Amino acid sequence: EAGVVQSPRYKIIEKKQPVAFWCNPISGHNTLYWYRQNLGQGPELLIRYENEEAVDDSQLPKDRFSAERLKGVDSTLKIQPAELGDSAVYLCASSYGPEAFFGQGTRLTVV
Amino acid sequence: DQQVKQNSPSLSVQEGRISILNCDYTNSMFDYFLWYKKYPAEGPTFLISISSIKDKNEDGRFTVFLNKSAKHLSLHIVPSQPGDSAVYFCAASPMDSSYKLIFGSGTRLLVRP
Repeated sequence: EAGVVQSPRYKIIEKKQPVAFWCNPISGHNTLYWYRQNLGQGPELLIRYENEEAVDDSQLPKDRFSAERLKGVDSTLKIQPAELGDSAVYLCASSYGPEAFFGQGTRLTVV
Repeated sequence: DQQVKQNSPSLSVQEGRISILNCDYTNSMFDYFLWYKKYPAEGPTFLISISSIKDKNEDGRFTVFLNKSAKHLSLHIVPSQPGDSAVYFCAASPMDSSYKLIFGSGTRLLVRP
């Protein structure tokens, strides 16, 4: 069974530029998460989807971050414009129960 | 306010000995607890979990213990192997079935050959 697939693996952009991350969850998993992990810290939830509905986006900085999950499968997370403090690893995960399965993440560096 | 705390940033253990990783939580609404392992440049991998109705769950070399009164859980790895060297994250989920995971800051385990 294929795991959670994320792309790109690495991204370097200048501040104020836009960036987008893509996630393909495990087939059959209705719940999809986007987490952000800063260096030396644990993952922090940005947004959680149940099928196509964003049911928890309280931690998403909505002035610059947006996300969508079309047809309840793939999802994209966008940052526009990026700031230096957005440098982190962005993790996508999916689940059908309490155990979430993570992708390899996208390491974003904003310079 | 950090709801899930891993107070030991690192742990070094001799191969073959027991590794004990600790985790404390503050929110009594948490009812499901998980441990994840993370290698460099990879995403976290689910390792083992425990429900609040249990106080112990075992899977091979890995055992998780839950002490609800102390709001404390621990992961025991025995015997430890060099391949266990990784960062271990404790996570907790509330009882509202949202499956929203709150992570600790992680403990880096080094198993010395």
